[in-house]
Amino acid sequence: GENVEQHPSTLSVQEGDSAVIKCTYSDSASNYFPWYKQELGKRPQLIIDIRSNVGEKKDQRIAVTLNKTAKHFSLHITETQPEDSAVYFCAASRAPGGSYIPTFGRGTSLIVHP
Amino acid sequence: NAGVTQTPKFQVLKTGQSMTLQCAQDMNHNSMYWYRQDPGMGLRLIYYSASEGTTDKGEVPNGYNVSRLNKREFSLRLESAAPSQTSVYFCASSEGAWATGYTFGSGTRLTVV
Repeated sequence: GENVEQHPSTLSVQEGDSAVIKCTYSDSASNYFPWYKQELGKRPQLIIDIRSNVGEKKDQRIAVTLNKTAKHFSLHITETQPEDSAVYFCAASRAPGGSYIPTFGRGTSLIVHP
Repeated sequence: NAGVTQTPKFQVLKTGQSMTLQCAQDMNHNSMYWYRQDPGMGLRLIYYSASEGTTDKGEVPNGYNVSRLNKREFSLRLESAAPSQTSVYFCASSEGAWATGYTFGSGTRLTVV
């Protein structure tokens, strides 16, 4: 089955710095890669996703890049703000015909210091 | 538009007691899921329902049962609670079977003593 590794487990940055979280996956057939943000005590919420036919996707201060050859994808947050502090989860899943249920990484706790 | 509604939000059970966690979505989603979240373990899939009338085991199904009551509702039952089932439980739904993001419920914090 799919295996998703997420690094780092904790990331501490100063406000205004950039933050990068990286995930690697094992199943080369995976083709959908969402990212979720979970604030303390709240539910995970989808913040951005990317499909395998795209190499990069941006939404304001966040972006996701995908390297299919190396089987890794990354979340980039620029100009970090204290409200970006949360746990971020990556996931990977396959098209029909395979296991479409996403496999989640174990999460990265991002701390943005004012 | 409520999205995904879970009840209860908090529950304390004694070992051996049973309970059912309720989940309902109003987005006309086909697929529904139950996850548990434990510190350092991320989100682990307990059971899922790809469509009304079907259910399948996930990564950690032991000690749980589910019912897809209709398209809107997907319940999770603990028949005989154990301390190892102390966790935060999230219900989620998605529009299709793949390549679509999840909408999560607000979670149920369950403690088994």
